[in-house]
Amino acid sequence: GENVEQHPSTLSVQEGDSAVIKCTYSDSASNYFPWYKQELGKRPQLIIDIRSNVGEKKDQRIAVTLNKTAKHFSLHITETQPEDSAVYFCAASFFFSGGYNKLIFGAGTRLAVHP
Amino acid sequence: DGGITQSPKYLFRKEGQNVTLSCEQNLNHDAMYWYRQDPGQGLRLIYYSQIVNDFQKGDIAEGYSVSREKKESFPLTVTSAQKNPTAFYLCASSSGDSYYNEQFFGPGTRLTVL
Repeated sequence: GENVEQHPSTLSVQEGDSAVIKCTYSDSASNYFPWYKQELGKRPQLIIDIRSNVGEKKDQRIAVTLNKTAKHFSLHITETQPEDSAVYFCAASFFFSGGYNKLIFGAGTRLAVHP
Repeated sequence: DGGITQSPKYLFRKEGQNVTLSCEQNLNHDAMYWYRQDPGQGLRLIYYSQIVNDFQKGDIAEGYSVSREKKESFPLTVTSAQKNPTAFYLCASSSGDSYYNEQFFGPGTRLTVL
């Protein structure tokens, strides 16, 4: 069935270190993979996304990689800062009859960056 | 943070009562979504609508109902049939015109059953 697994569930790093969060998805037809950041008490906000025709995408200190063969994608944050502390969610698109599509979210990773 | 709004921010319900959560967007988006967020479980899809007067059940629709009479509004009713309704509810919208649409989230409603 439709499933997105996300690891680790918690991640603690020192300021300046890199952080990596990994997700796997079940449907080989998925073609859109967004990452959302949710700060405490706030709404999730899109930070980066990748489409299936691209293997890697970068935006300043964050990057996402996609391996379609293995059905996994990862978020990389370099030079972490305390303001990167938040819960991060990955998601994958799933499609079904009638032309409908939806996102399935991973369970989230709580990232803590310590000064 | 404008564009998509939810009300109320906090809602308390007695057991056996139905309550309705409001979601409004002025982004001219066709698609709207309702998610439930519980600690450690990510975002789970309750209902979604890709156009006015049409909606589909998500993964956890039991005990919930929706309507989509206007493009800008997608209210969610939590009925007494929902056994464990205490959670954080998020509404989202997207333009819906391709497979790659960013979903924009509202600020959420925290529902507590007393």
